Amino acid sequence: QVQLVESGGGLVKPGGSLRLSCAASGFTFNDYYMSWIRQAPGKRLEWVSYISHLGSTMSYADSVKGRFTISRDNTKNSLYLQMNSLRPEDTAVYYCAREGGPYYSGEKYFLHWGQGTPVTVSS
Amino acid sequence: DIQMTQSPSTLSASIGDSVTITCRASQTISNWLAWYQQKPGKAPKLLIYKASSLVSGVPSRFSGSGFGTEFTLAISGLEPEDFATYYCQQYNSYSPYPLGQGTKLEIK
Repeated sequence: QVQLVESGGGLVKPGGSLRLSCAASGFTFNDYYMSWIRQAPGKRLEWVSYISHLGSTMSYADSVKGRFTISRDNTKNSLYLQMNSLRPEDTAVYYCAREGGPYYSGEKYFLHWGQGTPVTVSS
Repeated sequence: DIQMTQSPSTLSASIGDSVTITCRASQTISNWLAWYQQKPGKAPKLLIYKASSLVSGVPSRFSGSGFGTEFTLAISGLEPEDFATYYCQQYNSYSPYPLGQGTKLEIK
């Protein structure tokens, strides 16, 4: 069955960096676009970034553009989010999510989610 | 950019009631709309895709409808486990704001 397991979250000071990972299993990883979605405490879900199945196309929310970098390693079935210049408002649970269908399907809803990894940015 | 607006933000209801949640898109999105349920401390769960297609295993008391810019999620005969926050998401085209702001369904 499909599994997405995030790791790498933790406490970091403002201005610091963190790299999140998402280990995927149970499906052909290089067939699927992947996204990061976050949720600040008590707040709404916020889409952060997506990456295409082969890693050639990425997009970012305005709130993280220039600071966060999404990447993937299809040989390791892994998704990453490099977060630099972190701010207190980046404090959130970060989820990785897989789309509903492979890259050619148009099924761009989020069918599978990881359990989330918490990131706290505080001095 | 397409923006999604849900209403109401909070909804109070009793077990056994039927409720509807509305999601409006700022531009037409055909039927490329999904609904999610999220419980505290848990990842969201996909309920409905393509506006009205129920995900396998989701109870039939959940239903979705709509096309274009206005969509609804209906729950008939609320069960205790249905009290949660619900989000809509458009996937018609790229937007940095694909998700609605959420509707919290509370027990009255």
